[in-house]
Amino acid sequence: GAGVSQSPSNKVTEKGKDVELRCDPISGHTALYWYRQSLGQGLEFLIYFQGNSAPDKSGLPSDRFSAERTGGSVSTLTIQRTQQEDSAVYLCASSPDGQKNTEAFFGQGTRLTVV
Amino acid sequence: KQEVTQIPAALSVPEGENLVLNCSFTDSAIYNLQWFRQDPGKGLTSLLLIQSSQREQTSGRLNASLDKSSGRSTLYIAASQPGDSATYLCAVNGIRDYKLSFGAGTTVTVRA
Repeated sequence: GAGVSQSPSNKVTEKGKDVELRCDPISGHTALYWYRQSLGQGLEFLIYFQGNSAPDKSGLPSDRFSAERTGGSVSTLTIQRTQQEDSAVYLCASSPDGQKNTEAFFGQGTRLTVV
Repeated sequence: KQEVTQIPAALSVPEGENLVLNCSFTDSAIYNLQWFRQDPGKGLTSLLLIQSSQREQTSGRLNASLDKSSGRSTLYIAASQPGDSATYLCAVNGIRDYKLSFGAGTTVTVRA
């Protein structure tokens, strides 16, 4: 597709369940970012991928959060044993190369609600 | 650690006025700075990208300046319209880390 695609756009889950959020970056973009935006808050960095490797996982809030990227393309963010404080919009972005002067493009986000 | 601050947090102006949004950052070792727009419940739309070697970028009614040495960028929106109402975010792509560091945003309301 022409832009960054995220699915699902909305997800309601029960507390304690696991969820998977998907990000399809722009074709050919090697850098991929995950951010979280809680209601009324700024963007919180979660993880960065360069290709399939994640040199910066510093933002993952707990060991319940994990992410992977395969084939230098699609990325999945997994949250295990979800808690109500995990409710937020999860945003994905990609850029041609995160270590150079390149523009980042964001998807529309996945709104996660934990009930 | 890169810290990005945006002032003011909110701004309300009558239609036709020029808007001035400020962004400051603490670490001048950056690849670029990017301004985004976010409408309620939506993702981020890229407005302007300024590379570290540039002083300004323009797109239509938008103009963004960058003073890397002092850690400041300003977004100017000329002749504001109600459709400009949104939250504007600046993000710095730092050399010393692997992420875009965001400010908290400026929420703009343009009154008709």
